[in-house]
Amino acid sequence: DAGVIQSPRHEVTEMGQEVTLRCKPISGHDYLFWYRQTMMRGLELLIYFNNNVPIDDSGMPEDRFSAKMPNASFSTLKIQPSEPRDSAVYFCASSFDRPGELFFGEGSRLTVL
Amino acid sequence: RKEVEQDPGPFNVPEGATVAFNCTYSNSASQSFFWYRQDCRKEPKLLMSVYSSGNEDGRFTAQLNRASQYISLLIRDSKLSDSATYLCVVSNYNQGGKLIFGQGTELSVKP
Repeated sequence: DAGVIQSPRHEVTEMGQEVTLRCKPISGHDYLFWYRQTMMRGLELLIYFNNNVPIDDSGMPEDRFSAKMPNASFSTLKIQPSEPRDSAVYFCASSFDRPGELFFGEGSRLTVL
Repeated sequence: RKEVEQDPGPFNVPEGATVAFNCTYSNSASQSFFWYRQDCRKEPKLLMSVYSSGNEDGRFTAQLNRASQYISLLIRDSKLSDSATYLCVVSNYNQGGKLIFGQGTELSVKP
């Protein structure tokens, strides 16, 4: 069975550029989460959706970050404009239940130069 | 103060050793507790849930002390393959059930 699929796996970009990260959750999962992981701050929850509706975006660092979930099988996390301090691994995760077991994608490793 | 705090380690232990990790949480309303495992440069994966009465899964034992807001994970007869980072995770229904992760404790098991 396909797990959570994220793309791109790696992205290197220059400061000021727009970055779009993509996620396909596991079919049938009602919850989708975006996390960011850095050495300094560990895993931080950015935003999560339930049935495609954003429930809690209090972890989104600032207006440069936005997330959408237009349908049950797709979500995006966008950073515009990107800054070097946004460099991190961004994980998407989905779950069937709340709080339930989270199934993570392999992550998108972002480097902003 | 962080919501979930762990000793970052690293814990360096020989094969066959018993090792214990501790985790404290600050929100007394927390209701669900988990341990996740993360291998180097991989995604986190659920290791086990933590129940009020304590629970065991093979060589792994998890304990919860609500009065002290403390969770522990004990690994017996450690294997080389246990080398990973262990993440303590807490959830509170009043916060929509979102999972809050600790920074993780790194374990290295040596031959």
